[in-house]
Amino acid sequence: DAGVIQSPRHEVTEMGQEVTLRCKPISGHDYLFWYRQTMMRGLELLIYFNNNVPIDDSGMPEDRFSAKMPNASFSTLKIQPSEPRDSAVYFCASSLFRGPNEQFFGPGTRLTVL
Amino acid sequence: DQQVKQNSPSLSVQEGRISILNCDYTNSMFDYFLWYKKYPAEGPTFLISISSIKDKNEDGRFTVFLNKSAKHLSLHIVPSQPGDSAVYFCAARKGDTDKLIFGTGTRLQVFP
Repeated sequence: DAGVIQSPRHEVTEMGQEVTLRCKPISGHDYLFWYRQTMMRGLELLIYFNNNVPIDDSGMPEDRFSAKMPNASFSTLKIQPSEPRDSAVYFCASSLFRGPNEQFFGPGTRLTVL
Repeated sequence: DQQVKQNSPSLSVQEGRISILNCDYTNSMFDYFLWYKKYPAEGPTFLISISSIKDKNEDGRFTVFLNKSAKHLSLHIVPSQPGDSAVYFCAARKGDTDKLIFGTGTRLQVFP
């Protein structure tokens, strides 16, 4: 299995621009998670989906952030408009079924907003 | 409010010695705990876990200890190897949810 795939790996954009991050979970996994990693706050959960349905988006910082999962093999995290404080590494993870299963993380997208 | 805390941002240990990484939590409803390891430019990978009904779980060189009364868990690596140099995250899960709450991570450096 190819694991969780994220694109792009690096993104540099200017303040005010729209940014779209993409994720392909491991085939057959029912859960998909979006995280943000910063030095100050570590790994923060932004939103997660179960069977393509958003379950908990309480970690989404503000309305500038939105996430979709149109099908079982694809999800997007969009930031519009982007701000310099959004600069971070964004990870996507997936897991199988419910329960204390470990999550499998993608390699992350490093976002820099100038 | 940081429900899972890793108060040591970094740790340096000599090869062959024991590495002890610590994690504290505040929510007594957490019932499952995990450790993840992260190398630069890669995503975190699962290392070891423990249920709240246990106080110890061992997997090779890695052992996790859970002290529920103190709301504290630790990861022991014996013996430490240079390849263990990475950032280690502890994470906790509350029984009625599917999400993990992560700490801020501890950077372990194992030197020869």
